[in-house]
Amino acid sequence: KNEVEQSPQNLTAQEGEFITINCSYSVGISALHWLQQHPGGGIVSLFMLSSGKKKHGRLIATINIQEKHSSLHITASHPRDSAVYICAVRVRDQFYFGTGTSLTVIP
Amino acid sequence: KAGVTQTPRYLIKTRGQQVTLSCSPISGHRSVSWYQQTPGQGLQFLFEYFSETQRNKGNFPGRFSGRQFSNSRSEMNVSTLELGDSALYLCASSFWFQGEKTQYFGPGTRLLVL
Repeated sequence: KNEVEQSPQNLTAQEGEFITINCSYSVGISALHWLQQHPGGGIVSLFMLSSGKKKHGRLIATINIQEKHSSLHITASHPRDSAVYICAVRVRDQFYFGTGTSLTVIP
Repeated sequence: KAGVTQTPRYLIKTRGQQVTLSCSPISGHRSVSWYQQTPGQGLQFLFEYFSETQRNKGNFPGRFSGRQFSNSRSEMNVSTLELGDSALYLCASSFWFQGEKTQYFGPGTRLLVL
């Protein structure tokens, strides 16, 4: 069983739609990270959360520590948002990753 | 600062061969972690090095090994390659800032085992 589960695995949206990607975890964590991976393979960190909510441009990330759940929202989606989004949790100094959500935004 | 660099970017090997991948972390970062990424399994932790010492190790067979040099550059080696070792191998350098560990990923080495 994976420590981190993401849903959905694949997501196709029309440009402009509001998108939600979910992440559930089963372990006690120190922090949760949302990562973005583009087709070339490079991974960039979008957010680090230990509580509450963070917003960066059109991206919003929330976490509920009691329910062991986090969501990544994209408002007014755009084709350049097409990527794989990965949820990662840090347990002490080690990371565990979800299998990722592949997002395709159609113009 | 330059980002994390990995060499080579692409590699084709045959079963039974061995391979060595290299990772240069961001200047000043002393921690390097290695990950294997496959379509079915996602990112899986291989090992982490800090100041030339292995700190953590994932659940991979002994064919997978690594080391870190005094300049923080790291190498990982896979011996007796198997078809299932075909994957994207990512390294990440990290540092702690205000109580949080942040990782910076390299572009990866894509290994194909035939």
